[in-house]
Amino acid sequence: GESVGLHLPTLSVQEGDNSIINCAYSNSASDYFIWYKQESGKGPQFIIDIRSNMDKRQGQRVTVLLNKTVKHLSLQIAATQPGDSAVYFCAGFWGIQGAQKLVFGQGTRLTINP
Amino acid sequence: NAGVTQTPKFQVLKTGQSMTLQCAQDMNHNSMYWYRQDPGMGLRLIYYSASEGTTDKGEVPNGYNVSRLNKREFSLRLESAAPSQTSVYFCASVKSGGYTDTQYFGPGTRLTVL
Repeated sequence: GESVGLHLPTLSVQEGDNSIINCAYSNSASDYFIWYKQESGKGPQFIIDIRSNMDKRQGQRVTVLLNKTVKHLSLQIAATQPGDSAVYFCAGFWGIQGAQKLVFGQGTRLTINP
Repeated sequence: NAGVTQTPKFQVLKTGQSMTLQCAQDMNHNSMYWYRQDPGMGLRLIYYSASEGTTDKGEVPNGYNVSRLNKREFSLRLESAAPSQTSVYFCASVKSGGYTDTQYFGPGTRLTVL
């Protein structure tokens, strides 16, 4: 079946530094990936997405890279801020009959140290 | 516009008790989803409803039932709660289920089964 996994459960960086969160997936059929941010006590919040026909996509302070050859994607957060402290999930999309089916990785807890 | 709302926020049950988790969205979305999130794991899909009047099983449906009451509301029922169902439950909705549509999540219900 499909699976999505993150490489590290926790990551600590200094405020102002860049952070990179990695994710691997098993199913080549997925053609869409999403990164979510989840703050304590809240539901996941969409950050950025990428389609399989792209290698890179940039947002505000965030960049997602997709390497289909090795089935790997990463989330880069530039100039980290205290508000970036959260759990980050990657999710792969496998559609079923017009409905989205997202498969989530386990999550990486990012801690920004002052 | 409240987005996705869930009730209750917290619940403690004894083994064998039943309860219904409520979810409502005011974004006129067609598709709705129920996930569970266990410590150290990503979200896993329990059930989903691609459109009003339809429901389908996700990855972990055993022990649950759902009802898509109308376009706005999607409830999750535990008929006979078990300790293994202790988890945080998230409801989500998406406009059409098209693979680039963003899923919006509710704040979650933290359920403990003793």
